[in-house]
Amino acid sequence: EPEVTQTPSHQVTQMGQEVILRCVPISNHLYFYWYRQILGQKVEFLVSFYNNEISEKSEIFDDQFSVERPDGSNFTLKIRSTKLEDSAMYFCASSDWTGGEKLFFGSGTQLSVL
Amino acid sequence: QQPVQSPQAVILREGEDAVINCSSSKALYSVHWYRQKHGEAPVFLMILLKGGEQKGHEKISASFNEKKQQSSLYLTASQLSYSGTYFCGTERHSGNTPLVFGKGTRLSVIA
Repeated sequence: EPEVTQTPSHQVTQMGQEVILRCVPISNHLYFYWYRQILGQKVEFLVSFYNNEISEKSEIFDDQFSVERPDGSNFTLKIRSTKLEDSAMYFCASSDWTGGEKLFFGSGTQLSVL
Repeated sequence: QQPVQSPQAVILREGEDAVINCSSSKALYSVHWYRQKHGEAPVFLMILLKGGEQKGHEKISASFNEKKQQSSLYLTASQLSYSGTYFCGTERHSGNTPLVFGKGTRLSVIA
């Protein structure tokens, strides 16, 4: 089965530093998402992306966050100035349609902000 | 608007059955069910679209009552491999809306 690939699997950074989390969605998918999960808690929606623009974002996704699809395959999440509370597992997901279509999740990037 | 799941946690012996519920205060277009094992990504189980359908996946099935905005996941004759956290995710309509997950139900199946 096709997979969503995320790199790195673990990222440790100092508070205030910028991080970029990378994802390669499934090649024929059109909709891309970032979710995060703080340890032991629910999976929280951050942002959805379609047709090279953000289609929806949550209140978590403030000005410190940005997403980009720099080429035809990668989808990145940038956190400009990390805070301690940004520590979480970040999941990328993709789907080939929206509305009743399953999401394929990557294996996640564990971000630790010290 | 995040869906509400119940129970928060359940412990079963192998072979026992369980029901996990998911409800929303808003009208729903679809309900998704995912299972997540510790340290792994959520894995898709099934989607139910409005229309009150019921679906099955081996000994795991689900129903969706759109009038009550509720879905239930039924685990029959549970196996050790069923252990994990089950999340329901809901979509409000068929357009480009994100999937919003509940807080999850932690299921532990013991021998």
